[in-house]
Amino acid sequence: QSALTQPPSASGSPGQSVTISCTGTSNDVGVYDYVSWYQQHPGKAPKLMIYEVTKRPSGVPDRFSGSKFGDTASLTVSGLQAEDEADYYCSSYGGSSIFVVFGGGTKLTVL
Amino acid sequence: MQLVESGGGLVEPGGSLRLSCAASGFTFSDAWMSWVRQAPGKGLEWVGRVKPKSYGETTDYAAAVNGRFFVSRDDSMNTVFLQMNSLRADDTALYYCATGQMVAAFEHWGQGALVTVSS
Repeated sequence: QSALTQPPSASGSPGQSVTISCTGTSNDVGVYDYVSWYQQHPGKAPKLMIYEVTKRPSGVPDRFSGSKFGDTASLTVSGLQAEDEADYYCSSYGGSSIFVVFGGGTKLTVL
Repeated sequence: MQLVESGGGLVEPGGSLRLSCAASGFTFSDAWMSWVRQAPGKGLEWVGRVKPKSYGETTDYAAAVNGRFFVSRDDSMNTVFLQMNSLRADDTALYYCATGQMVAAFEHWGQGALVTVSS
């Protein structure tokens, strides 16, 4: 099963909104509502930002939101702040044996 | 909740290594434990997982490691293991253990253990 497809980079100015896409297939994103998004700062472990397409773990600002249409999921970061600059990875449940497939990651730059 | 990996290091191609991940702060015996790796400068890759004893402690693996890597757990030690055999240069990565209560989502991560496969 191939990795999910993300754009390598995205950018926006402070206060703006940016959306990162994550394209899978009918075997993962398209069929399961188990898409997650992770934020990773350099030298740090990933941090779960969104799970089950739209849900935020406790402590994650509501500036982060998720959605899905067909085989493509999206992460939107509203009101960009400097600390949002990081790598973002999507993932999807891929079935009982594959379990999880990740996207290649998107580097978000706050201009 | 805390996850602490250990056992990383330098190993020659074809060699073996066993990573450990000690857990604390949650009911380990109920947890679905996974290993996720990240090659230098690259993205995340799920490696494998072990289910709780109540689910038969069954395991699943990514195609890239199936038959070479094995995940196991010792609930008496609150520890999950990753046995890596027939290591190759492309197995060089930071290996994280991870878990969470959501389906296919990892809320908790360790700090990672670096494995370098080189002669």
